[in-house]
Amino acid sequence: DAGVTQSPTHLIKTRGQHVTLRCSPISGHKSVSWYQQVLGQGPQFIFQYYEKEERGRGNFPDRFSARQFPNYSSELNVNALLLGDSALYLCASSLEVAANYGYTFGSGTRLTVV
Amino acid sequence: QQQVKQSPQSLIVQKGGISIINCAYENTAFDYFPWYQQFPGKGPALLIAIRPDVSEKKEGRFTISFNKSAKQFSLHIMDSQPGDSATYFCAASMTGGFKTIFGAGTRLFVKA
Repeated sequence: DAGVTQSPTHLIKTRGQHVTLRCSPISGHKSVSWYQQVLGQGPQFIFQYYEKEERGRGNFPDRFSARQFPNYSSELNVNALLLGDSALYLCASSLEVAANYGYTFGSGTRLTVV
Repeated sequence: QQQVKQSPQSLIVQKGGISIINCAYENTAFDYFPWYQQFPGKGPALLIAIRPDVSEKKEGRFTISFNKSAKQFSLHIMDSQPGDSATYFCAASMTGGFKTIFGAGTRLFVKA
């Protein structure tokens, strides 16, 4: 079975640009969560989507948005990129909407903003 | 109150030794405490998790000890191996919650 797949694996963008990151969850998983991991820190929660609806949002500016498609794949969009957005963006897949059942993470998208 | 504090930041252990990583939390509503292992270039992988109705959980060489009154929990890696060298994150979440709070991570290096 395929795990959580994320694309692209690496990305370099210029300040002010827009970026779209993609995630396909494990087959049968209806919940997708997005996390930002800055180098040397733990992952920080950005969004959770379950059954195509936003179920939770972390403390991130409105430049960050996401959506989930009918096949449960998801996109994370970031507008007006700042240098501080440089990070590893992780997608996490889970069966349940609740967070207290553990995640399966993808390998992430490494975003560098220059 | 949403923080999970993890220590030490880094740890060097001899092969065959015991690695111990500690975490503390404030929010008593947390009821699920997982540990994740992350290798360079990979996403975190769920290693072992505990709920507060038990004080210890063991899976192979990995054990979580949980102290509800002290609001602390720890990961013990017995017979540490070079292949265990990775970054370990403790985390916490709650029933009905939609997010997991992660600690800052511990970089473990096991010397051969």
